[in-house]
Order: sequence, then structure tokens, then C-alpha cells
Amino acid sequence: AQTVTQSQPEMSVQEAETVTLSCTYDTSESDYYLFWYKQPPSRQMILVIRQEAYKQQNATENRFSVNFQKAAKSFSLKISDSQLGDAAMYFCGISGGGADGLTFGKGTHLIIQP
Amino acid sequence: GAGVSQSPRYKVAKRGQDVALRCDPISGHVSLFWYQQALGQGPEFLTYFQNEAQLDKSGLPSDRFFAERPEGSVSTLKIQRTQQEDSAVYLCASSSTQLRGDEQYFGPGTRLTVT
Repeated sequence: AQTVTQSQPEMSVQEAETVTLSCTYDTSESDYYLFWYKQPPSRQMILVIRQEAYKQQNATENRFSVNFQKAAKSFSLKISDSQLGDAAMYFCGISGGGADGLTFGKGTHLIIQP
Repeated sequence: GAGVSQSPRYKVAKRGQDVALRCDPISGHVSLFWYQQALGQGPEFLTYFQNEAQLDKSGLPSDRFFAERPEGSVSTLKIQRTQQEDSAVYLCASSSTQLRGDEQYFGPGTRLTVT
């Protein structure tokens, strides 16, 4: 079975600063994908960034980047120049296991201080 | 275009009642997923459809849960004889192909409260 652990239930950052959200995972698969999804209050989950496990280069999407350490099974999300609109729950997820759906962590609640 | 929609958005059921939750995926999307999200938790996978075929139902918590997608588009998640532990937000997601790395597009969810 796959597991995803997000050890930070809540993080707070000043607007315009940088914050890193942690995620570790466990899987016996060699081919898998890792995701960060954002769930704003009362709104739909949306994809923030995606990483293919066989690609060594870390994915980036504008202000969002990941630090993917495959050997350590770590997949952290860095948000640069934090904005008020970044406030949300962030879920780390993995695909590629026995089930075809994603396995998510418990989430990190990100607070942006103006 | 329109995103994934779900109805109803809120449902209150008395314990023992049957409920049906509807998901309208993005038109043309091959894959459809159902997740259950308990309060303060991440979504947990329930079941997966590729077109009309239910290929994985390993996450369904009991035989009271049943899902269908008869024409490969709209899907319904049915819960029979609801219990208090069924209270959660039920999320539907779709993706354009059957590839595991595809982005999943989520609906707003149906919040089920069993009293």
C-alpha cells in the first residue's frame, strides 16, 4: 500500500515571503507520479504542480517549485513570493499504485499573513 | 468549458436512508474517480471508471456503497442504509485519458450529513 505523510498540519508565512511545505511518501512502485493539489476554502481542488518519478529535474510552475528527492521519498513544495490567494489547504498525492486513484496526505493548511 | 459538477451540493439524510450523489464530468473525459473526504482529512479513493467500465472499486468501504456510469459520462454514487460514519464530502474527479499521470479535475463535492 502507498502512504503519503504531510507532517505540517498548518504553516504561516508573510505575504511576499517564501514557504516550503513538506511531503514524504512510501511506495513499492518504480513508475509513479507525484502531485500537489490546492483546495481553497469552499472551492474545488486544483492541480498546482506534477512530477514524474523517472524525471530527475524538479518541476516548476511560475512561483511554485518542488524539491523531489527520490531516494529519500521526499516531495516538498516551495511557494515563492507568497500571495493572499495562496491561502488554502495543500494536499500532496501519489498515483501509480494498485488503485488507479490518488493517495493523498492529510494536508497542510497554509495561512498568508498580510 | 464547463468543469466537473456535482449535485446535490449538500445532503442531509436520516440514518438508514438511501442517498444518490450525481457527478457530471468534463465532456469527453475518459476517466472518472470518486473520493471520500472526512473532516480534516485528505480525500480517500473510492472507485474508478474508464468510460462505462468500473475498473477499480477497492476503496469502497462496504457493500452499502455502489457506483455506476452506464453511458460513460454521468456517474452516480449510491449509499444504501446510510450510517453516521458515512458523513463526509464526496468528491468526483475526471481526467481526459486513462493515463495515471493525467491531471484530475475535481468537482465541488457533495457534503453528506447523516443524522
